Order: sequence, then structure tokens, then C-alpha cells
Amino acid sequence: GAGVSQSPSNKVTEKGKDVELRCDPISGHTALYWYRQRLGQGLEFLIYFQGNSAPDKSGLPSDRFSAERTGESVSTLTIQRTQQEDSAVYLCASSPQKNTEAFFGQGTRLTVV
Amino acid sequence: QQQVKQSPQSLIVQKGGIPIINCAYENTAFDYFPWYQQFPGKGPALLIAIRPDVSEKKEGRFTISFNKSAKQFSLHIMDSQPGDSATYFCAARSGAGSYQLTFGKGTKLSVIP
Repeated sequence: GAGVSQSPSNKVTEKGKDVELRCDPISGHTALYWYRQRLGQGLEFLIYFQGNSAPDKSGLPSDRFSAERTGESVSTLTIQRTQQEDSAVYLCASSPQKNTEAFFGQGTRLTVV
Repeated sequence: QQQVKQSPQSLIVQKGGIPIINCAYENTAFDYFPWYQQFPGKGPALLIAIRPDVSEKKEGRFTISFNKSAKQFSLHIMDSQPGDSATYFCAARSGAGSYQLTFGKGTKLSVIP
């Protein structure tokens, strides 16, 4: 595809359930980022992948959050035992290399009820 | 600790007006300052960016003014149009090799006909 694709667009889940969010980056982009956007807030950095290097997980808010990426392809963000405060839009972005413009997907809106 | 402070939270202008959005930062290691535009249901998209070696950058109707000594930068939208109605985020990134964008909390702009 032409841009960063995220799925699902919307996800409603019950408190305590696990959820998995998917990001398809732009083909050839080596860098991939996940951000969280709470209502009325800016974007909060979660995790960064660059090629085959170890990911920077410094932004993950708790051990319930994890993410994986195989090579330079799809990434999944997993939230275990979801809590209401996890409700937010989760945005994925990719870039050709780590210090260039990041292109964002449309996000996954997660609602925990 | 919020490293990029953005104001105002919301702004309403009439068509043709010049909305101005301001951001201030604390980290003197920041050396790349982009502005992102976000429409409802979409991911943020890069609008314009500046580096601190210049005091102003203009692209079409959008202008960034940068004051390095005051650690402030602002976005001006000339001849604003209803289609400019969106949320605008300023961001900052520290020196070469870095990758995390630190975002302001956003300004919701409404341009009324």
C-alpha cells in the first residue's frame, strides 16, 4: 500500500482482556514507532524499532505492554489485561531511516469497557 | 515533565484571519522542530519543519517563526480557510541520531466561514 496501515480501526474490549494491534509500515521503511494519543493530549512515545537492532522500549508504560516486529515488516502491539486507562488511539509511524520524517497511520481507537 | 508546551488549546478564527499557535521548549538539545496537522480520524501528517539555524521558514500559507534564545517557536497560517480546521501539534527532537519526537498537547483550530 501507499501508506502506513493499521488494523483494526476501532476496538472495543472488556477490562481484563488482551488485545493485539497491527501495523503495516511503508515498504522499505526500516524504522517503526508506536505512539499513544489520549483524548485531548499530545502523542506519547511507546516503542521504536530500527531494522534488526534491539528495540527501544523506554516509553512502554507497564509490563502489560509489549511489541514485536519481524525484520522490516509488520509490527504488533499487545496489551495484556487491559485497563480502562488504556483507552486511547494507538498510532504507528514508519520512516526510511531513524532520523527522517515519520509517516503516521490512521491509528487504532481502543476502548476498554 | 512536559518538555514541549503548546498554546492555546483551542482557537477560533474567521476565514482570512491569521491564527498563531505557540510552543516553548526546555531541552536545549532539541534541534528539529516539526509541526503536524491532524484531521479527525486520521493520523498526524507533517506540515512544515524548521531547524534552529534559521529564524523563519515559509511554505505556502504556513510559516514557522523560531526564537532560539527564548526557546520558542510558532506557527502562523496566512489567509486561513475552513479546510485548515484541524488539530495542530508542535514537536521537537534532539540531536543527530535521535528519533523520539516529543509532542505538544495540540491546538484545535476552527476556521469559520
